[in-house]
Amino acid sequence: DAGVIQSPRHEVTEMGQEVTLRCKPISGHDYLFWYRQTMMRGLELLIYFNNNVPIDDSGMPEDRFSAKMPNASFSTLKIQPSEPRDSAVYFCASRSRGTLGHTQYFGPGTRLTVL
Amino acid sequence: DQQVKQNSPSLSVQEGRISILNCDYTNSMFDYFLWYKKYPAEGPTFLISISSIKDKNEDGRFTVFLNKSAKHLSLHIVPSQPGDSAVYFCAGDMRFGAGTRLTVKP
Repeated sequence: DAGVIQSPRHEVTEMGQEVTLRCKPISGHDYLFWYRQTMMRGLELLIYFNNNVPIDDSGMPEDRFSAKMPNASFSTLKIQPSEPRDSAVYFCASRSRGTLGHTQYFGPGTRLTVL
Repeated sequence: DQQVKQNSPSLSVQEGRISILNCDYTNSMFDYFLWYKKYPAEGPTFLISISSIKDKNEDGRFTVFLNKSAKHLSLHIVPSQPGDSAVYFCAGDMRFGAGTRLTVKP
């Protein structure tokens, strides 16, 4: 298996622009998570899905952030409009309900820079 | 609110010695506690976990201890190797701490 795939790996945009981050989870995994890593807060859980349904989005910082999972193979995290404080590394992770110990498998991350 | 806290942002140890990374949590409902290791430009990878009903789990050079009364867990690495140099994240289920950067000096 190719593991969790994220695109793009790097994104540089200007303040006010729309940004879309993409994630393909491991086939057969029924949980998908979006995290943001910053120096101040470490790895922050933004939202997670179970069987394509959003379960907990309490970590989404503002209405500018939205996430979708139209099918089991694809999820997006959108920021509109983007702001400089959104600059961070965004990780997608997935796991199977049957995974012992709640182990998650992470993608390589998308480094977002908002100028 | 931070349900998982790693209060030491960095730790430096000599090769061959023991590394002890600490983690505190506030949520008593976590089923599992996990440690992940992260190298630069990569995603975190799973290292070791412990069920909330256990107090110790060992896997080779890595041992995790859980003290439920103190809401504290620790990761012991013995002996430490230069290749262990990375950022280590503690997690309670899906909630992560801020990470501790471990540097193992040759």
